[in-house]
Amino acid sequence: AQSVTQPDIHITVSEGASLELRCNYSYGATPYLFWYVQSPGQGLQLLLKYFSGDTLVQGIKGFEAEFKRSQSSFNLRKPSVHWSDAAEYFCAVGARGFQKLVFGTGTRLLVSP
Amino acid sequence: DGGITQSPKYLFRKEGQNVTLSCEQNLNHDAMYWYRQDPGQGLRLIYYSQIVNDFQKGDIAEGYSVSREKKESFPLTVTSAQKNPTAFYLCASSNPQGANTEAFFGQGTRLTVV
Repeated sequence: AQSVTQPDIHITVSEGASLELRCNYSYGATPYLFWYVQSPGQGLQLLLKYFSGDTLVQGIKGFEAEFKRSQSSFNLRKPSVHWSDAAEYFCAVGARGFQKLVFGTGTRLLVSP
Repeated sequence: DGGITQSPKYLFRKEGQNVTLSCEQNLNHDAMYWYRQDPGQGLRLIYYSQIVNDFQKGDIAEGYSVSREKKESFPLTVTSAQKNPTAFYLCASSNPQGANTEAFFGQGTRLTVV
């Protein structure tokens, strides 16, 4: 069965510190992986995606993620967090050709001064 | 601007009533989706449509219905059979045949049963 696990429900990071959000997936075919961000009461915005090629992908707002097939992981990173990064982050997996995405339960990021 | 428009942003329903949530896209995408979001549960797929006049049930379709009469529109009806409809509903679309096949999301509709 397809599934995505985000083990951290909440994470608090000091402003300026580095960030890593964890994502593990289970998928039978070649996975297409996504990170989305959601501000309260809003829709989802795509941060970055991985389809193939270089396993380190760059996204918007200074985020990057690394695909590790051997660990079935797609962790999101940012070297220096800004207060405006406080939001909920969702990892998702799908297949090319049809975007029936399976989402993780999300990680809420809190940024402390 | 191209995008997905969901309306209304807030919707209140009395128990026993059916309500319809609107979703319109002008991205010329073939595929459209409805997700339900509850705190701590992520997004769960209700229905999806790959092409006009065709749609399939997702993981939690019971108590919901959809139609896809036009490419740009995919309304969701929450029927009285849905026992716990209070949630945040998100519509999305994608172009499965394109090079960049990520899903684009609307701003959501928050439905509350009163």
